[in-house]
Amino acid sequence: DTGVSQNPRHKITKRGQNVTFRCDPISEHNRLYWYRQTLGQGPEFLTYFQNEAQLEKSRLLSDRFSAERPKGSFSTLEIQRTEQGDSAMYLCASSGQNTEAFFGQGTRLTVV
Amino acid sequence: GESVGLHLPTLSVQEGDNSIINCAYSNSASDYFIWYKQESGKGPQFIIDIRSNMDKRQGQRVTVLLNKTVKHLSLQIAATQPGDSAVYFCAEYAQGTYKYIFGTGTRLKVLA
Repeated sequence: DTGVSQNPRHKITKRGQNVTFRCDPISEHNRLYWYRQTLGQGPEFLTYFQNEAQLEKSRLLSDRFSAERPKGSFSTLEIQRTEQGDSAMYLCASSGQNTEAFFGQGTRLTVV
Repeated sequence: GESVGLHLPTLSVQEGDNSIINCAYSNSASDYFIWYKQESGKGPQFIIDIRSNMDKRQGQRVTVLLNKTVKHLSLQIAATQPGDSAVYFCAEYAQGTYKYIFGTGTRLKVLA
């Protein structure tokens, strides 16, 4: 499978716990995006990487959220001290220079 | 802030008919647009894109029309099939903003 891969697909966690999600983009893509999507809404932008540099962060990305892309390939999104409001689908997308963005299947987070 | 909106939250069409899904965008600087299809529990799937130097682009059974004068985008699906049932999002992108902006989506229901 040469598409965008996200792991895990589902995560249930207790409030207050930390969680980490992983995204493996399409190998030749240098651009990587994280989005969050709640039921009935369109995806909301969280952050953007060009290679290993994080160039844009949304105000939605509070201090409890951190994203990394250490070698310009895979990326991780960590949420610390999870809250029930963090429950959502977390989507990763990648693109090349001036090409369309392809999304992964997402990680569904449920905070109980 | 800038946003992408959709006129019709739900569209029901008979199998075999043509579907038209509309989208209004507000950022006149946006120069790239994508239509995505999203099935339940899955990530958005790329359908077709168009750049601002074009007003029409055709794919297999799908056509995207762009009217920059009124900032309007539409997706036409010919001979709609049950497998077309999904939520459709348009997304806009402006050079230098590093993000795609999505609207809330239109649910397409195909009636047998």
